[in-house]
Amino acid sequence: DIHMTQSPSSLSASVGDRVTITCRASQGISNYLAWYQQKPGKVPKLLIYAASTLQSGVPSRFSGSGSGTDFTLTISSLQPEDVATYYCQNYNSAPPITFGQGTRLEIK
Amino acid sequence: EVQLVESGGVVVQPGGSLRLSCAASGFPFDDYPMHWVRQAPGKGLEWVSVISWDGTSTYSTDSVKGRFTITRDNNKDSLYLQMNSLRTEDTAFYYCAKGLDSNLWTYFDSWGQGTLVTVSS
Repeated sequence: DIHMTQSPSSLSASVGDRVTITCRASQGISNYLAWYQQKPGKVPKLLIYAASTLQSGVPSRFSGSGSGTDFTLTISSLQPEDVATYYCQNYNSAPPITFGQGTRLEIK
Repeated sequence: EVQLVESGGVVVQPGGSLRLSCAASGFPFDDYPMHWVRQAPGKGLEWVSVISWDGTSTYSTDSVKGRFTITRDNNKDSLYLQMNSLRTEDTAFYYCAKGLDSNLWTYFDSWGQGTLVTVSS
């Protein structure tokens, strides 16, 4: 199985800050990576797929990059509504589909 | 608009059985593979199982193999998860999820609201 490791596990940043979350795969997965946002008490929402393609309707302050084993999710200017837990997901070399453990983002 | 509505979650004793359902609408259900993903309270996401559009192919994560069975009824636009020999570690919200395309191995653009399964004596 491919193991996905996110860092950091949690972070606190100020409104307007640039925020970066990383996701590392235990082996190469090309660009078969997605990012989700899960707000407290809500269902996960797809933000990015194919490592860097923004899902329709997602604000342009979100962006993704990477290929192979190392990926990043960037929020260019943090907004209060971005408070959530973020998950990466591998969908290459499945089964199984695997998720990172999550990164909890808070406002400072 | 895509809608996925899960049902069937209850409190069940260890060793018990349960059948979850997911009613789908707003898209051609029989064109898409469907997945179950679970999330223990306060924990991360864990993929559980997938079924092909026609029900002929299924895959599950190792921890549920031999205990959980995923099925679908395309005439009723419904997805199911039969859960047997339940363990306390199966306690979680169970989401049905739809992929963005017809590939089995894909990302999820639509999720249900989830149904809570609690395994406890």
